Amino acid sequence: AQSVTQPDIHITVSEGASLELRCNYSYGATPYLFWYVQSPGQGLQLLLKYFSGDTLVQGIKGFEAEFKRSQSSFNLRKPSVHWSDAAEYFCAVAGSAGNKLTFGGGTRVLVKP
Amino acid sequence: GAVVSQHPSWVICKSGTSVKIECRSLDFQATTMFWYRQFPKQSLMLMATSNEGSKATYEQGVEKDKFLINHASLTLSTLTVTSAHPEDSSFYICSAKQVVNTEAFFGQGTRLTVV
Repeated sequence: AQSVTQPDIHITVSEGASLELRCNYSYGATPYLFWYVQSPGQGLQLLLKYFSGDTLVQGIKGFEAEFKRSQSSFNLRKPSVHWSDAAEYFCAVAGSAGNKLTFGGGTRVLVKP
Repeated sequence: GAVVSQHPSWVICKSGTSVKIECRSLDFQATTMFWYRQFPKQSLMLMATSNEGSKATYEQGVEKDKFLINHASLTLSTLTVTSAHPEDSSFYICSAKQVVNTEAFFGQGTRLTVV
C-alpha cells in the first residue's frame, strides 16, 4: 500500500526567508508525486507534480520540488516566502497520473512579518 | 486548465435529513471522479472512486449505503449523504479526470454542517 509522511505538522518562517517542506513516500513502483496548497476553507490548488524526467520540478508561485528516489523523498522548496504563502501544504502520491491520491498529513505554514 | 465545480460550497442540514453534493467537470468529460473527505485540521481521505456508468468503488470503512455516489454522465457525479448526523459534518472534495494517465483536477469543496 502506498503512504505519504510529512514529518512537520507546523512550520513558522519569517517573510523573505527560505522554506522547505519535507515529504517521504512509500510506494513499490515509480510514483506519481504531487504538492497541493490549501487556504482555510478552500479547495486544493496544485503547486507542482512529478511524473518522470527531470527530478527537479518547477511549479507555480515560485515553488520547486526535487524527487530523490534513493531517499523516497519529494521535498518542496521556496527561496523567499511571502505572507500569502501561509497555508496548509499537502504532499500526495498516486500509482499513475490520474489514479486515486494518498495524501500526507499536511504541513501548516505560518509566515511571520 | 480543466475546471471542476462543486455545488453547493457550503450546506447546513438537520440531523436525519439527506443532502446531495454535485461535482461537475465544466470543460472536459470525466471518465473517473474521486470523492474525498477532510475533517477539520486533518488530511484528505479517499472515500470512493466512481466511473461513469458503473457502480462506485468504496474505500474500506466507508458506508456505501450512507454515502450514495452516482456518476450518471461524463460531466456529473453526485454524493448524497443519507440520514446525516453531526459526525458527518466535514469538508467534502471531489476530483475528476479525463482519460487514463491524466491528472485529476479538484473542485473547490463543500462544507457540510449537520445540526
